[in-house]
Amino acid sequence: KAGVTQTPRYLIKTRGQQVTLSCSPISGHRSVSWYQQTPGQGLQFLFEYFSETQRNKGNFPGRFSGRQFSNSRSEMNVSTLELGDSALYLCASSEKPAAGELFFGEGSRLTVL
Amino acid sequence: ILNVEQSPQSLHVQEGDSTNFTCSFPSSNFYALHWYRWETAKSPEALFVMTLNGDEKKKGRISATLNTKEGYSYLYIKGSQPEDSATYLCASANTGNQFYFGTGTSLTVIP
Repeated sequence: KAGVTQTPRYLIKTRGQQVTLSCSPISGHRSVSWYQQTPGQGLQFLFEYFSETQRNKGNFPGRFSGRQFSNSRSEMNVSTLELGDSALYLCASSEKPAAGELFFGEGSRLTVL
Repeated sequence: ILNVEQSPQSLHVQEGDSTNFTCSFPSSNFYALHWYRWETAKSPEALFVMTLNGDEKKKGRISATLNTKEGYSYLYIKGSQPEDSATYLCASANTGNQFYFGTGTSLTVIP
């Protein structure tokens, strides 16, 4: 089985721009969740999608949004980028949300200049 | 917001030593406790998922226990090897399918 694929792996943006990150889950996994990691912080939960519906959202501003497509692929978007958005963004897929283990992608490292 | 705390923050042990880490989490709305191992330049990989109070799980030299009443979990590594060097993350999942991760314990095993 192919693992979780995230694209792009690295990107550099400037303040005020927007960015879209993509995540392709393991085949058959309908739950996709997104996390942000910044230096000194644990993984911060952004949101979780299941069968194209956002079921949960973490404590992030409205500039952070996402969606999930019918093939379970997910995208997250960050608009009006700020310097503090520089981080590693990880997505994870799962068969059973909460009770099932998360399978993580390698992440997208975003640098905002 | 759930606060999941892990201790110690970092740990250096000699090869062959046994070690353990702690993860504490709020008990309210608890559903599952996850442990992940995260090696540098790789993705986090699941070690254990536990849901029931008193759960104990084992995988080779690594084992974990769960106490949901008092809100803590222990991860044990027996006879540490250099390849065990990694950051160990715990995460509490609540009944709303939200995950809250601790900041991790960074383990370095010295040959």
